[in-house]
Amino acid sequence: GDSVTQMEGPVTLSEEAFLTINCTYTATGYPSLFWYVQYPGEGLQLLLKATKADDKGSNKGFEATYRKETTSFHLEKGSVQVSDSAVYFCALSSGNTPLVFGKGTRLSVIA
Amino acid sequence: NAGVTQTPKFQVLKTGQSMTLQCAQDMNHNSMYWYRQDPGMGLRLIYYSASEGTTDKGEVPNGYNVSRLNKREFSLRLESAAPSQTSVYFCASSRQGDQPQHFGDGTRLSIL
Repeated sequence: GDSVTQMEGPVTLSEEAFLTINCTYTATGYPSLFWYVQYPGEGLQLLLKATKADDKGSNKGFEATYRKETTSFHLEKGSVQVSDSAVYFCALSSGNTPLVFGKGTRLSVIA
Repeated sequence: NAGVTQTPKFQVLKTGQSMTLQCAQDMNHNSMYWYRQDPGMGLRLIYYSASEGTTDKGEVPNGYNVSRLNKREFSLRLESAAPSQTSVYFCASSRQGDQPQHFGDGTRLSIL
């Protein structure tokens, strides 16, 4: 079945550092790919998405590119802020099926 | 601008008690979902309802039942709560299965 693997955390960075959170997937067909963010005490919020190969999703300075050849959708941000501290989830959906989530990566940004 | 509303936000139960978690969405979405979130396990799908009148099992359905009461509401019931069901429960909705999901703020459930 479909699955998502993302790097284990926690990831701790200093403010203004470069962020990469790796995500790879296994799926039949051509899934849509998503990144969700969960701030402390809240539900998940959609951060960005990409629906076909080579698409780049971007939002709030974060971006991720759908790489079909490497089955990857890595999340990047050039300069993180303390307010970016959260748990980040990679997810996919193939056709009209529920999302499949990775286990999440906790990011802590220190001033 | 409510989105997905879950009640209650917190609950403590004793082993063997029953409980219904309520979820309502005001976005006219067709699909609704229930997840549980446990440390190190990410989100696991319990049940989902692709459309009004249908429900399907997810990854971890044992010990739970659901009711899609109408298009807006999707409830999750624990008939006989067990300590292993201590978790944070999230409800979500989407226009259809492959669309981005909108999440509620969660219900933190402790079973003693």
